[in-house]
Amino acid sequence: AQKVTQAQTEISVVEKEDVTLDCVYETRDTTYYLFWYKQPPSGELVFLIRRNSFDEQNEISGRYSWNFQKSTSSFNFTITASQVVDSAVYFCALSEADSGTYKYIFGTGTRLKVLA
Amino acid sequence: DAGVIQSPRHEVTEMGQEVTLRCKPISGHNSLFWYRQTMMRGLELLIYFNNNVPIDDSGMPEDRFSAKMPNASFSTLKIQPSEPRDSAVYFCASSSWERGGTDTQYFGPGTRLTVL
Repeated sequence: AQKVTQAQTEISVVEKEDVTLDCVYETRDTTYYLFWYKQPPSGELVFLIRRNSFDEQNEISGRYSWNFQKSTSSFNFTITASQVVDSAVYFCALSEADSGTYKYIFGTGTRLKVLA
Repeated sequence: DAGVIQSPRHEVTEMGQEVTLRCKPISGHNSLFWYRQTMMRGLELLIYFNNNVPIDDSGMPEDRFSAKMPNASFSTLKIQPSEPRDSAVYFCASSSWERGGTDTQYFGPGTRLTVL
């Protein structure tokens, strides 16, 4: 069955430290999509990135980078030189395409606290 | 461009009252999703529509919950009668669904419902 595991419930770092948020997924589909969303204290869910199962290239966007490894079923998210504004809950999600439903399966989220 | 619009942003009601939450998806999107977020259960998909047709309502908790999408620009989630355990943040999201693929879900700001 499909599943997304974010084992880190909460992480605290000091500003300017690098931090990696882990995401491990389970799926039987060969075609699937992975996502990261950010939920700041204000409560909205902000889309960060989408990856399909055929594209294992790592992605970098400013201080954010993502490492997708099918061999370990992981899609980890790294923030370089963290800032207080990065404090939020981060969700990883999986969408399976073979089944044709395109529903998202969300992880339980990792709360990141960046201390000044 | 306007994002997903939800109203009201906050709703406080008393047990037994009817509650109606509203959502306007992003123009051009043909899929709409209703989620509920609580501390205990995280993000749960309640129901989703493709081209205004309900596809999967297996997440709707019970008959007190109903959702409609009368046209491509509007959807409602109704709870009647409401109960204190319905207190949560309700998110609406929209995306462009195409067979053989998927697209990113964009979330509205959410409606924080409190049932006293």
